Amino acid sequence: AQTVTQSQPEMSVQEAETVTLSCTYDTSESDYYLFWYKQPPSRQMILVIRQEAYKQQNATENRFSVNFQKAAKSFSLKISDSQLGDAAMYFCAYRRHQAGTALIFGKGTTLSVSS
Amino acid sequence: DVKVTQSSRYLVKRTGEKVFLECVQDMDHENMFWYRQDPGLGLRLIYFSYDVKMKEKGDIPEGYSVSREKKERFSLILESASTNQTSMYLCASSLGGGRTEAFFGQGTRLTVV
Repeated sequence: AQTVTQSQPEMSVQEAETVTLSCTYDTSESDYYLFWYKQPPSRQMILVIRQEAYKQQNATENRFSVNFQKAAKSFSLKISDSQLGDAAMYFCAYRRHQAGTALIFGKGTTLSVSS
Repeated sequence: DVKVTQSSRYLVKRTGEKVFLECVQDMDHENMFWYRQDPGLGLRLIYFSYDVKMKEKGDIPEGYSVSREKKERFSLILESASTNQTSMYLCASSLGGGRTEAFFGQGTRLTVV
């Protein structure tokens, strides 16, 4: 069975600084998708970034980027120029390639941002 | 915008009651999911459905059942609520493919007393 591990329950960063959230996963499959979701205090889960396993290029979305290391089964999220609005819980998630499959989530990392 | 709507944000029920949590999506998504979120445990999959009347057990189905009679609606049922089912429940939906993101409702915080 696939598993997702986030080893940092809590992280903190100062405004304008850069922070990296870690995620590792375990799978025997070669084709899959990885996601980072953000859950602010409002509880609304929002997709931050997505990575296809068959793509070697790391995904980027504005200040958010990933470091995808397929052989190491590692998928870290880098947030550059951190803002107060980035404070939230961040979840790493895995999904198999096949249709009709569910997202498997890690336990989450709570990110606090200080001014 | 995709909208996933959960019927209640907060719910308080008594032990032994039968509880229905409703979820509706407006984007014709094939897949719908129910997750439970607890501090330190992340999101755990209870059940999901990839088509009308189809369902698959997730990691923690015990004490729960689901119903999907129409494509847009996915109900989670607690047959006899217990205090250990006090939690945050999140519904989500997505298109069929693995690449597609899941869209989430705002969650229902259920307290069983």
